[in-house]
Amino acid sequence: QVQLVQSGAEVKKPGASVKVSCKVSGYTLTKLSIHWVRQVPAKGLEWMGGFDPDNGETVYAQKFQGRVTVTEDTSTDTAYMALGSLRSEDTAVYYCTSAAAGFEYWGQGTLVTVSS
Amino acid sequence: DVVLTQFPLSLPVTLGQPASISCRSSQSLVHSDGNTYLNWFQQRPGQSPRRLIYQVSNRDSGVPDRFSGSGSGTDFTLKISRVEAEDVATYYCMQGTHWPPITFGQGTKLEIK
Repeated sequence: QVQLVQSGAEVKKPGASVKVSCKVSGYTLTKLSIHWVRQVPAKGLEWMGGFDPDNGETVYAQKFQGRVTVTEDTSTDTAYMALGSLRSEDTAVYYCTSAAAGFEYWGQGTLVTVSS
Repeated sequence: DVVLTQFPLSLPVTLGQPASISCRSSQSLVHSDGNTYLNWFQQRPGQSPRRLIYQVSNRDSGVPDRFSGSGSGTDFTLKISRVEAEDVATYYCMQGTHWPPITFGQGTKLEIK
């Protein structure tokens, strides 16, 4: 059974960076093509970026270009999403999900609060 | 970017009655491989999204058969044949045909009347 388990909630100051982890179990990380989606409180779902297996590259939403980095550690089957230059509008729940599985599997979400 | 427009955005339904949510795409979601990558998700308050339907009409394992998806090209529908209390949630359509970016509809909040 595939499970995605994310790291705990974070509180950051404006201008700081945050790194959220997503640990995969029950399957191989590289075969899941992990993507990241965020949800601002009481708002909809917003795709941030993820791995494209067709070209072997990580692609990002234009909105987050230059601020977000998605990486993987295959030795621990863990994916990471780092977001820099945080502002209050980045306060949201961040989810990892498996694109290769058609977005069937989702992590439990990580609340990132940006506040001075 | 592909824009997905859902309607209605708010859906009050009486228990036991049917419900229908539409999702309209700004362009055809038929992929060059012949598949249509349109999914439906349910998100209950405080929970992660749960995929209900993939590729327009395929119901996920464990999803009650009162949920069904249909449509083609640019117009898609999620139907619930008889709404139950546990169906209170926000429902999203999502396309993965033309990406980046992956895009979602705005969400439809289903409540019991």
